[in-house]
Amino acid sequence: EAQVTQNPRYLITVTGKKLTVTCSQNMNHEYMSWYRQDPGLGLRQIYYSMNVEVTDKGDVPEGYKVSRKEKRNFPLILESPSPNQTSLYFCASSRKDFAGVHHEQYFGPGTRLTVT
Amino acid sequence: DAKTTQPTSMDCAEGRAANLPCNHSTISGNEYVYWYRQIHSQGPQYIIHGLKNNETNEMASLIITEDRKSSTLILPHATLRDTAVYYCIVRVGDYGQNFVFGPGTRLSVLP
Repeated sequence: EAQVTQNPRYLITVTGKKLTVTCSQNMNHEYMSWYRQDPGLGLRQIYYSMNVEVTDKGDVPEGYKVSRKEKRNFPLILESPSPNQTSLYFCASSRKDFAGVHHEQYFGPGTRLTVT
Repeated sequence: DAKTTQPTSMDCAEGRAANLPCNHSTISGNEYVYWYRQIHSQGPQYIIHGLKNNETNEMASLIITEDRKSSTLILPHATLRDTAVYYCIVRVGDYGQNFVFGPGTRLSVLP
């Protein structure tokens, strides 16, 4: 089954304790992205990656790191989490159409992170 | 990317067509109209997209006005499982995919 998976689905941690949220897709998509969703603010993009070893900042990259060493994986790293990073996080990937344009994004199930 | 305006919420009777409007009066010629939905707190789900012509797939139809300043997503026979927040997004279909999801329309399908 074509899908985007995220782990863990739920995480409660303390301020300053480094954590990694994994994201994996089995559709051979080149493009992957991380979003966070907060009440009243909608979904906001954190980082995206156009291909292996190619990453770029989205709208809210502060406090996050990413890496793209392989096509299928795009982990989100919080080196020193803070309470304002408590949020619902989504990973997404997308495919190119015949013209090389990305239209349809596939989203993972989400990771609910709480930082105390 | 062009700004979109959607109603905050709508109701629809089960089995009836749900028509969700979206205004995008500042849309430019190379911007696409995309629709996604989010059921509860699940990951958003792609529904459909279009540029100028009306589009239909197994989930929905997208009607874009001739001047492209507004569009309507049509769910032909709404079911309870279609209850969700529906997002209308207008953006250039380029290689970078920063989709900006606004507040959307909360559709409630009523039995």
